[in-house]
Amino acid sequence: LAKTTQPISMDSYEGQEVNITCSHNNIATNDYITWYQQFPSQGPRFIIQGYKTKVTNEVASLFIPADRKSSTLSLPRVSLSDTAVYYCLVVGYNFNKFYFGSGTKLNVKP
Amino acid sequence: DAGVIQSPRHEVTEMGQEVTLRCKPISGHNSLFWYRQTMMRGLELLIYFNNNVPIDDSGMPEDRFSAKMPNASFSTLKIQPSEPRDSAVYFCASRQPGGDRGSYEQYFGPGTRLTVT
Repeated sequence: LAKTTQPISMDSYEGQEVNITCSHNNIATNDYITWYQQFPSQGPRFIIQGYKTKVTNEVASLFIPADRKSSTLSLPRVSLSDTAVYYCLVVGYNFNKFYFGSGTKLNVKP
Repeated sequence: DAGVIQSPRHEVTEMGQEVTLRCKPISGHNSLFWYRQTMMRGLELLIYFNNNVPIDDSGMPEDRFSAKMPNASFSTLKIQPSEPRDSAVYFCASRQPGGDRGSYEQYFGPGTRLTVT
């Protein structure tokens, strides 16, 4: 059973770039990688998804190496409001399986 | 759109009582997911539906848990009888039809915080 592993917590300062890496060694060929953000007392919110190489949207970038055994969420120039828990979720094609990471608590300091 | 709607937002009940959690997915979405979140176990997928049909319920912890989706706009998660270890935040999420390589984005509701005493 594939699992995902993330650092439990990370600290950063405002204006810095933050990179959070998720390990998913047993990812299958057709699995997709997604990342979510969760604030206290709220449901997770989708950030980005990817299959391979690099994906960028208005809030983040996702880097996936060729072997796809890990992925890195990159948040450019974080602010205090980016303090949250970030989850890596590997999803099987057709949603036939889900592997949620344990989440990384990002603390952005002034 | 109002987003995914869950009710109640908070529920406190005594052990042994029946608990029913409700979810209204975003209109037009054809997949619905029920999750449970605790400090100890994190986010766990309990069950998900596609076009109102349960596809995978392997995450349902035991027979005390049941979920239904009678139509595209409503789903329930029932716990009977409830136990203190069921205390958690229960999230409902929905997803729009995505096609073969469509979006895997799930839209989560605000959650129901369940406390069983």
